[in-house]
Amino acid sequence: EDQVTQSPEALRLQEGESSSLNCSYTVSGLRGLFWYRQDPGKGPEFLFTLYSAGEEKEKERLKATLTKKESFLHITAPKPEDSATYLCAVQAGGGSQGNLIFGKGTKLSVKP
Amino acid sequence: DAGVTQSPTHLIKTRGQQVTLRCSPISGHKSVSWYQQVLGQGPQFIFQYYEKEERGRGNFPDRFSARQFPNYSSELNVNALLLGDSALYLCASSPGPGGNTIYFGEGSWLTVV
Repeated sequence: EDQVTQSPEALRLQEGESSSLNCSYTVSGLRGLFWYRQDPGKGPEFLFTLYSAGEEKEKERLKATLTKKESFLHITAPKPEDSATYLCAVQAGGGSQGNLIFGKGTKLSVKP
Repeated sequence: DAGVTQSPTHLIKTRGQQVTLRCSPISGHKSVSWYQQVLGQGPQFIFQYYEKEERGRGNFPDRFSARQFPNYSSELNVNALLLGDSALYLCASSPGPGGNTIYFGEGSWLTVV
């Protein structure tokens, strides 16, 4: 069964304290791994798509990496405005549909 | 450019009633998917439509149905509402069925009382 597990469930950081969020996945053929940011009461905001092990993508203070079993979202020198829930999702290969399977998310709080 | 637009943003319904939620995808995108997100959980897949045909269905009862129109907009219908249907309903838009960039709308908050 395709599955995504994110850890930790919640993470509290001081402003400037770098850290990483983990996304472990089990999927029958990975078509893509997606990272989203979600603010309270809002829809998920697209951050990255990764396709193959070894791939890395960066955006401002965020860097996403991918291995065959997990992905990391590294946050460098975070600011309070980075506080949000970060969602990881996988898209399985094969078939004609492209639905995403999500983890429960990591709630990040950055204190000034 | 307009992103994915959903309506209504908030609504309250009574158990047993029916609800229709609407979604307009990003211009040029032909695939629309629907997800349900309950508090504290990640979104769960309900339906995917591409070129007006159903391409996928998640593990939801037959009370849930959807359709896609010639202009690629979509509607999600839920009949015989239950308290457990209270959630944020999200619409996602992508260029094709196996889209590699999938964008979400702000969602429709449904409360069933």
